[in-house]
Amino acid sequence: SQKIEQNSEALNIQEGKTATLTCNYTNYSPAYLQWYRQDPGRGPVFLLLIRENEKEKRKERLKVTFDTTLKQSLFHITASQPADSATYLCALPNDYKLSFGAGTTVTVRA
Amino acid sequence: NAGVTQTPKFRILKIGQSMTLQCAQDMNHNYMYWYRQDPGMGLKLIYYSVGAGITDKGEVPNGYNVSRSTTEDFPLRLELAAPSQTSVYFCASRQPQDNSPLHFGNGTRLTVT
Repeated sequence: SQKIEQNSEALNIQEGKTATLTCNYTNYSPAYLQWYRQDPGRGPVFLLLIRENEKEKRKERLKVTFDTTLKQSLFHITASQPADSATYLCALPNDYKLSFGAGTTVTVRA
Repeated sequence: NAGVTQTPKFRILKIGQSMTLQCAQDMNHNYMYWYRQDPGMGLKLIYYSVGAGITDKGEVPNGYNVSRSTTEDFPLRLELAAPSQTSVYFCASRQPQDNSPLHFGNGTRLTVT
């Protein structure tokens, strides 16, 4: 069966450091992968999309990599700030649908 | 620019009661989705629709029903509420292009006691 797994433990990091989140998947051959941010009490918000033929994508302090051989995406938040504290979800396409990982909660300490 | 609007924000139901969770979007998106989110479990797809008059089951459809009579609205119906349906429900929509992102509402927190 298809599975999407993200870091099960929450990430607690010091302001200014880099947070690295993983998203591993099995039994998918995705044409792309998306990352979302979710704040408490709110719906997820789209951050980035990376296609299968792209190794890396950047947006401001965010960087995403996609390795279809390893079946893995890494999500980096560089020069982290307390405002980056949130839960981050990866999502893969499945016909008309998007399936989500359980998310990784990041807390950035000032 | 409202995006995806969900009502109500909160609701407490007794076992066996029924209710409809409302979802409306003003972006003219063809595709709409209902997810539920339980702590530590991620988003699970309940039902989805690729256009007015077309709906299909997701991973966890039991105990729910949907209809899609217009492009804008996609209500989710709970007929006989059970404690297992205590969750946060999110509605989302997107354009039909393959890699278009989902736009989510801010959820309905439902407790069944």
